[in-house]
Formats: sequence, structure tokens, C-alpha cells
Amino acid sequence: DAGITQSPRHKVTETGTPVTLRCHQTENHRYMYWYRQDPGHGLRLIHYSYGVKDTDKGEVSDGYSVSRSKTEDFLLTLESATSSQTSVYFCAIEQGTGNEQFFGPGTRLTVL
Amino acid sequence: AQKVTQAQTEISVVEKEDVTLDCVYETRDTTYYLFWYKQPPSGELVFLIRRNSFDEQNEISGRYSWNFQKSTSSFNFTITASQVVDSAVYFCALSGPYNNNDMRFGAGTRLTVKP
Repeated sequence: DAGITQSPRHKVTETGTPVTLRCHQTENHRYMYWYRQDPGHGLRLIHYSYGVKDTDKGEVSDGYSVSRSKTEDFLLTLESATSSQTSVYFCAIEQGTGNEQFFGPGTRLTVL
Repeated sequence: AQKVTQAQTEISVVEKEDVTLDCVYETRDTTYYLFWYKQPPSGELVFLIRRNSFDEQNEISGRYSWNFQKSTSSFNFTITASQVVDSAVYFCALSGPYNNNDMRFGAGTRLTVKP
């Protein structure tokens, strides 16, 4: 158990509304990641963080922003949600010496 | 660019059969890491194994074994004597030598083990 929680676990929202997903970790890991999981695509990296206030874009960052004001929290924001952002979102931390990633339980987001 | 291909979208076997999940990767890095994750019907992602590019020894863990072959850029996963609890989606993934900002996952293989 890597001590990762995500909130909310499920959310239904409407197109055009802002949404923020939270990832919380309790073990002081430096690297944190946000992925989305869609059928046929596996997991794709949205944004990642390599420290407090240090973030960068991943493969599918358009339409998303992130913030990390504390080591333990990594927030993912959809400024104006679209139906194409309906997905399952996973947060991950990097642990170990060989780039192992451990994932949170996921957030299922539906944008109507 | 890095790429992972899991050509088998779905596999169905009967309990106690052996099954191999294929994973083929592409990378220009000489140092890289390969991973397998399991996603059971409950939805969480479970880390199974990591292999670095300099270690081509095959690994066995109980009923699970992994065959890493750099010559064919493959990292295949075999479950021996499959059980119903092995039913899940399995993902193969590849990352470069540093942190995981370039990690690539395959599309996954859904394994169904029937009693």
C-alpha cells in the first residue's frame, strides 16, 4: 500500500463546468503523476510533478492543468469539462530505485 | 518515441490452462524499464514486476513468469495453471532511464479464466 488516496472517487458533471480531482499521498514521495485510462489506449500521462510547484506536461495535457502546493497533494483541474474528458483518472507516485509506479484507486469522471 | 504493443486484446482460457500474454516494445534508449500491471474487475492497478534493460534473466514468481528478450524487444508474461482470480486486464509498460515522465502503456489484454 503506497498510501495514495483520490477524491472524489466518482463524479458526474456537465459540459463547461470546472472540475478538480485530488490526489493525496502520505509517504513524502517526490514524483507524482496523473493518468487517464480509456478503452483501447491503456493509460496515458496527463501531467506530472517532480516537486512542490514543479510540474510539467505529459502526452495528453490539453484541457488540463495541475498544481502542487504541498508535497502530499497533487491536484488535477479541468477548467471547462468536455465530454471527451469522460474517463477514469489515476494518480501515481514513483517509489523504489527502478521507476516503479504505484497507483491510487482511481476517479471515474463522467461529463454529460 | 517509445511504444508498447499488446496485440492480444482479449484472451479466454479454461481454468488450469497456461496462458501467455505478449508485449512488444520500441525504444531508442539503451537503458529502460519494463513493467507489468494487473487491473482486476475492481479497477485498481496492481504492480506485478519491473525489469531493467540490462537484466535479461527470466523471472518466476509462483505461477507467474516473465520472459524478457531484447533481441525481439519482447517482455512476455505467462500464467501457469490459470485460476479464475487471474481474470483481469493486464498492462505492459515501458519507461526511460530517468523518472517516468515518458512512461508508455500498452492498450492492455483482457484475460478471462473460466471455471
